[in-house]
Formats: sequence, structure tokens, C-alpha cells
Amino acid sequence: AQSVAQPEDQVNVAEGNPLTVKCTYSVSGNPYLFWYVQYPNRGLQFLLKYITGDNLVKGSYGFEAEFNKSQTSFHLKKPSALVSDSALYFCAVRGYGNNRLAFGKGNQVVVIP
Amino acid sequence: DGGITQSPKYLFRKEGQNVTLSCEQNLNHDAMYWYRQDPGQGLRLIYYSQIVNDFQKGDIAEGYSVSREKKESFPLTVTSAQKNPTAFYLCASSNDPSPEKLFFGSGTQLSVL
Repeated sequence: AQSVAQPEDQVNVAEGNPLTVKCTYSVSGNPYLFWYVQYPNRGLQFLLKYITGDNLVKGSYGFEAEFNKSQTSFHLKKPSALVSDSALYFCAVRGYGNNRLAFGKGNQVVVIP
Repeated sequence: DGGITQSPKYLFRKEGQNVTLSCEQNLNHDAMYWYRQDPGQGLRLIYYSQIVNDFQKGDIAEGYSVSREKKESFPLTVTSAQKNPTAFYLCASSNDPSPEKLFFGSGTQLSVL
């Protein structure tokens, strides 16, 4: 079975401060990891993915994520948050050869002006 | 949203009624997916289809039905057997059966009258 845990319901951060959204995963074999962002009443937009290679992955809108195999984590980060980053963020995982993604419950990010 | 169109944006269901949500994609993707989103629960897979005329149950298929008669279309029917249909429904597609990433539609909000 594959699963994702996003332990925080909401992350509040002041504009200009670093933003971190936490994600841990469980999967058999090598993981394929993803982050998506959702704005109100919209579908999910792809931010970044880790398949193999460098543990630090850079994605859209200045976001990056760090893969840590020993801690089974894939935390999303942004050095300086913007008010427009306020949205719902989903972490997802699938195992090699599995065509189904498992999503976390999502984290609401609120960036305070 | 990335060539996937969901309609309608809002839908209301009366007691005992079947309703159908539309999902059309012009991305020439083989695989299509239906997810249900409830607040605080993330996305749960209802049905998915890897090729035309074939589909598989996801984690919460009871009370739902789908068809895949054309590559570009994957409609979802919410039947009267689904006792708690109020949710946000998301359709997605990918360019092969083992997706590196999913492309999402903008969603349909279904409510019960």
C-alpha cells in the first residue's frame, strides 16, 4: 500500500518569510513524489516532481522540494512567501510500476501580508 | 485547465436521481481518472481508465459508474445508490498508464437538494 501524510492542517506564514509544507510517505520500492497546488474552486496544478537524481527538486513559481529517503519525506519549500501563494497544497506518491497516485489530505497555506 | 474541460461547474441532485458529470480532454491522453474531494480528506480515486473501452474501480467506486467509449471523454454518473454525493469532483488525465504527472480539470461541485 502507498500513502502520504501531511501532518499540518494549516500553515500560516508572513509574507517574505520562508515557507515549508511537510510531507512524509510510505511506498514499496522507489517512490515517485509530486506536489500540486489548488486554488479555490479549481483543479490541481502540478508544481514539481521527484523521480530520480538530485534530492533537491526545483519547480514552478519558485518552489522546491527536498527528497529525504532516510526520513521518507518530501517537504515543499519556498525561500520567500508571497500573498499569492495562499492556496491548498497536496503531496502525492506512487510506487514504481503503479499507475495510481496516493494523495495526502492537503495543507492550507495562508500567507499574511 | 490544461486541455481538460469539466461540466457543469455546479450541479444539484434531487433525491433518487442519477446525474452525469462530463469530462473531455483534447490532450490525446490515454489514461483518465475521476477523484472525489472532501474537505480535510484529500483526493480519493473513484474510477480510472487506461485505454478506450476499459476502466477500473478505484478506492470508492460504490454508487458511481463510468464509460470510456471515446479516448477524449470519460463521463461519471453519480447514481441514487451514492448516499452522500455532495463533494467536489475532479477529472484528470495523463499521457501514459504510469503517469509522471496528472493534468486536472477545474472540477464540478455536486450538491444535494
